[in-house]
Amino acid sequence: AQSVTQLGSHVSVSEGALVLLRCNYSSSVPPYLFWYVQYPNQGLQLLLKYTTGATLVKGINGFEAEFKKSETSFHLTKPSAHMSDAAEYFCAVRVPTGGGNKLTFGTGTQLKVEL
Amino acid sequence: EAGVTQSPTHLIKTRGQQATLRCSPISGHTSVYWYQQALGLGLQFLLWYDEGEERNRGNFPPRFSGRQFPNYSSELNVNALELEDSALYLCASSFLGLEFGQGTRLTVV
Repeated sequence: AQSVTQLGSHVSVSEGALVLLRCNYSSSVPPYLFWYVQYPNQGLQLLLKYTTGATLVKGINGFEAEFKKSETSFHLTKPSAHMSDAAEYFCAVRVPTGGGNKLTFGTGTQLKVEL
Repeated sequence: EAGVTQSPTHLIKTRGQQATLRCSPISGHTSVYWYQQALGLGLQFLLWYDEGEERNRGNFPPRFSGRQFPNYSSELNVNALELEDSALYLCASSFLGLEFGQGTRLTVV
């Protein structure tokens, strides 16, 4: 079965500092991987996705993620944090068969950005 | 292009009642997915509808049910509400990834 593990339920960075949110996946077949962001009392917004091809994926709001098969990782990064980046971030993996586009989500990482 | 829309935004029900939540997918999307986001439990897959049929369901009791209409909109019904059903219910439609609506906050008192 596919799963994702997000290391660190809470991450705190200073404004302007590098953001690194960690995600490791488990999949017996080549996965599709996603990062979503959720602001308080809102739905999930897709940040970026990896399906096939280039392993470095650029998303919205300056975020990017790199698919590393050898490390089974898909960490999310942003060079310089902004106050507006404070939110909860979810990594997700697509179940490739029998579930359509059903995603399995990690438990989320709450990002705090401090002045 | 309009995104996924959900109604109502908030819903308050008493224990034992029934709740009905509605979702309209992005135009052209035929699949609708429902997720429950309860405090401390993360995002749990509930149901997947495609072309009017239930294709898959998560590990939830039968009192969670739904349907998909010919226009691909969907309805989630929760019968015999329990306090632990209080959660944000998210609907999504899909094209490679899932596009989510803003959710319905269900509170059971």
